[in-house]
Amino acid sequence: DAGVIQSPRHEVTEMGQEVTLRCKPISGHNSLFWYRQTMMRGLELLIYFNNNVPIDDSGMPEDRFSAKMPNAAFSTLKIQPSEPRDSAVYFCASSLGEGVQPQHFGDGTRLSIL
Amino acid sequence: SQQGEEDPQALSIQEGENATMNCSYKTSINNLQWYRQNSGRGLVHLILIRSNEREKHSGRLRVTLDTSKKSSSLLITASRAADTASYFCATDGGSGAGSYQLTFGKGTKLSVIP
Repeated sequence: DAGVIQSPRHEVTEMGQEVTLRCKPISGHNSLFWYRQTMMRGLELLIYFNNNVPIDDSGMPEDRFSAKMPNAAFSTLKIQPSEPRDSAVYFCASSLGEGVQPQHFGDGTRLSIL
Repeated sequence: SQQGEEDPQALSIQEGENATMNCSYKTSINNLQWYRQNSGRGLVHLILIRSNEREKHSGRLRVTLDTSKKSSSLLITASRAADTASYFCATDGGSGAGSYQLTFGKGTKLSVIP
């Protein structure tokens, strides 16, 4: 059974470039989460989708960040333009059902902005 | 916002010993979850304990919850080198926050020495 799949696993790019991170949730899961993990701040929720609809994007740090979920099998997180302080590991997670359920995480994208 | 805080930040033990990690949180919860993160990988759900439960077991894992002290502990018995990882507690929003949202602590880094 395939887990949550994220791509790319690593991304190194220069400041000012557009970055697109991709996520394929577990089939049948109706909730999708994007997180950012840093040493200083730990794991932070960026945005939550339920049934492909963004429910809470209060964690998105700035207008430079945007996320979409065009269908139940795919989501993207885009940063444009990127800045060095965006360097972090970005995780996508999915879960099944309503309320707080166990979340299944992908292996993350390690993003480095030079 | 409420947040679980794990204690200790780092723990080093010999293989075969038991490992105990603690988590404290600030406000009421509906449930508390524990996750494991191996280096370079995503978080893996270990166990969920509801606010009306005091203890839960899963294999070599034992989780306790004391809602009066707003604390939880994770015990790993007969540790193995493969248990080396970071362990996180995550709390839901209780009655106040979004019903979907988990807030993660900074984690305990466990090293099991063969």
